[in-house]
Amino acid sequence: GIQVEQSPPDLILQEGANSTLRCNFSDSVNNLQWFHQNPWGQLINLFYIPSGTKQNGRLSATTVATERYSLLYISSSQTTDSGVYFCAVGDGNNRKLIWGLGTSLAVNP
Amino acid sequence: GAVVSQHPSRVICKSGTSVKIECRSLDFQATTMFWYRQFPKQSLMLMATSNEGSKATYEQGVEKDKFLINHASLTLSTLTVTSAHPEDSSFYICSAVRQGFEQYFGPGTRLTVT
Repeated sequence: GIQVEQSPPDLILQEGANSTLRCNFSDSVNNLQWFHQNPWGQLINLFYIPSGTKQNGRLSATTVATERYSLLYISSSQTTDSGVYFCAVGDGNNRKLIWGLGTSLAVNP
Repeated sequence: GAVVSQHPSRVICKSGTSVKIECRSLDFQATTMFWYRQFPKQSLMLMATSNEGSKATYEQGVEKDKFLINHASLTLSTLTVTSAHPEDSSFYICSAVRQGFEQYFGPGTRLTVT
């Protein structure tokens, strides 16, 4: 099955800094989502992005499907950005997601 | 739009009892819902796929007689943990597919079995 690797596993930033999170996947996908899990456990949809580039405020994401990776950019980080960022992919019509291990982000004031 | 609720958010039960967790899509219909389990500082583990009007499909290693799933309507799926034991203590999360492939998640239920 598809393997999903996220890097870095942990990241500590000072408020205001920018960061790039990476998601590599081992095979073709028709579904790729980025999520933020806040400290209370709620998973928040950031992007549905099987290919191309999207932006939403301070966040943007790019997926290069032919090279099997996706990047999540966080600009001008805030303490509320802290939490775990997950990349999850799917490759079939069953809508199942295969999850990476996440990047744990801490933004310090 | 695309709001998913879960109830209860937190439950403590005694060993041997059963616990029911509800997952509702509040502003859309979902023919497919998923149930996940998450251990501390780990990723999500898919337990089962819940399809409206049909039996759930369980992932390998998940006991279907222990984790009963019922998808009674297009907006409601329930997970019942039967004869709960302390090792069933975990964070349970549901998701619903609104259209296409995009999944939306409930806030999770923290189960503690004493």
